[in-house]
Amino acid sequence: QITLKESGPTLVKPTQTLTLTCTFSGFSLSTSGVGVGWIRQPPGKALEWLALIYWDDDKRYSPSLKSRLTITKDTSKNQVVLTMTNMDPVDTATYYCAHVDTAMVFDYWGQGTLVTVSS
Amino acid sequence: QSVLTQPPSASGTPGQRVTISCSGSSSNIGSNTVNWYQQLPGTAPKLLIYSNNQRPSGVPDRFSGSKSGTSASLAISGLQSEDEADYYCAAWDDSLNAFYVFGTGTKVTVL
Repeated sequence: QITLKESGPTLVKPTQTLTLTCTFSGFSLSTSGVGVGWIRQPPGKALEWLALIYWDDDKRYSPSLKSRLTITKDTSKNQVVLTMTNMDPVDTATYYCAHVDTAMVFDYWGQGTLVTVSS
Repeated sequence: QSVLTQPPSASGTPGQRVTISCSGSSSNIGSNTVNWYQQLPGTAPKLLIYSNNQRPSGVPDRFSGSKSGTSASLAISGLQSEDEADYYCAAWDDSLNAFYVFGTGTKVTVL
C-alpha cells in the first residue's frame, strides 16, 4: 500500500525559505520509472505542478518557479524534500506530494499541508 | 500558468450525463496523453482517468475520457450526488524542457 505524507512549517515569513518533506512508504525511489512530485493549491484556486524527481535523479521544475525550487531525494529514508526560496504571501497554499508511476501520472497523493506566508 | 483551459462549472441532475472539456495545444494535449483528477471537497485530488481513457482500479465505468487533437473530454454518465467535485485535466507539455500542467478546473454541481 502506497502512502505519502507531507511535513513542514505551517507558517513562514515573507522572504524566508520553505522546506517541505514528503515521507513515503509502499514503494522505493530506486525502482525504475518511479518518481515523486510536488503540487500546490492556493485556497479556492486550481492545482499547480511544482517539481518532480525520478528514480534516476532526473529532476523537472515548473518553468515559472524554477529559479526558486530545489527538489532532492533520500532513498534510504524514503523521503523527498522540496525547498522554495523567497516566499511571498501569494505562495500561501496547500502543498501536496504525490507518487508518479511509470505512466508518468500522479496516482497516489498525500493529504497535503497548508502553508501560510505572513509576517 | 495553466495552459489547459476548462469551463469553470458544469451541472446536471442525478442520472444525467455531464461532459467537461479541456483545451490545450500541440505541445501538451496534442503530443501527450491526458489525465483527469477528481477532488472532492476538502480532500486531496484523486486520479480518475489516465492515458486519455484508462480508469484506475476502483473508478466506476460511468467515468470516461477521450482525446481528439489538442482537446480532451471527461464524461460522467448517470451522474450521482457523490460526483459533486472539482475536476482537473492534466498533461505533460513538451516545451521548456518538459513540464506538467493542470487545467483550470471545473466545478461539477449535482442539482
